[in-house]
Amino acid sequence: GAGVSQSPRYKVAKRGQDVALRCDPISGHVSLFWYQQALGQGPEFLTYFQNEAQLDKSGLPSDRFFAERPEGSVSTLKIQRTQQEDSAVYLCASSLEGRGRDTQYFGPGTRLTVL
Amino acid sequence: TQLLEQSPQFLSIQEGENLTVYCNSSSVFSSLQWYRQEPGEGPVLLVTVVTGGEVKKLKRLTFQFGDARKDSSLHITAAQPGDTGLYLCAGAGNYGQNFVFGPGTRLSVLP
Repeated sequence: GAGVSQSPRYKVAKRGQDVALRCDPISGHVSLFWYQQALGQGPEFLTYFQNEAQLDKSGLPSDRFFAERPEGSVSTLKIQRTQQEDSAVYLCASSLEGRGRDTQYFGPGTRLTVL
Repeated sequence: TQLLEQSPQFLSIQEGENLTVYCNSSSVFSSLQWYRQEPGEGPVLLVTVVTGGEVKKLKRLTFQFGDARKDSSLHITAAQPGDTGLYLCAGAGNYGQNFVFGPGTRLSVLP
């Protein structure tokens, strides 16, 4: 399929461990977004890339969260020293052009559980 | 900060019934999107509305954007079990900012 893929689908981490979540966007899509979705809530914006440039990281909850997209395609969201409150589904989305009205295509998410 | 509220939070109905879910804000949005999300999957875009007062129909789903572009509704006619899911609305501000999502309405359609 040509959709957005994310890996791993599930991740269990002990408190204090570092984790890395991967997103493979749709080929050719310029924009890439990361969202955090807590149980029973809607997605909350974390960060936005246009190609390899991280244009907006205003939603990252702390400096333990770091995202990169070095070649303008695959992106990695890294969480250092995980805490229990980091437990959530992390969604990645890509769109063909810029943010705003352009359709975002979401991946299935990575469910992170921090024990 | 632009916030979106959705109501009801949960809705359980029988197959064949009609329903309406609402998305409200005190802020004006340049556009508003509706998504459906199924368990274990990411949200899937249903529609984007842009113009105040706009009405869009997608088979049994009717979407309306309020005249003031602060609220929206989704009406489903003759609901089917396949309509079960989390319905999310998301609004974008006037300057191309990121979409802000509401908390969703979780719909269950019983056969």
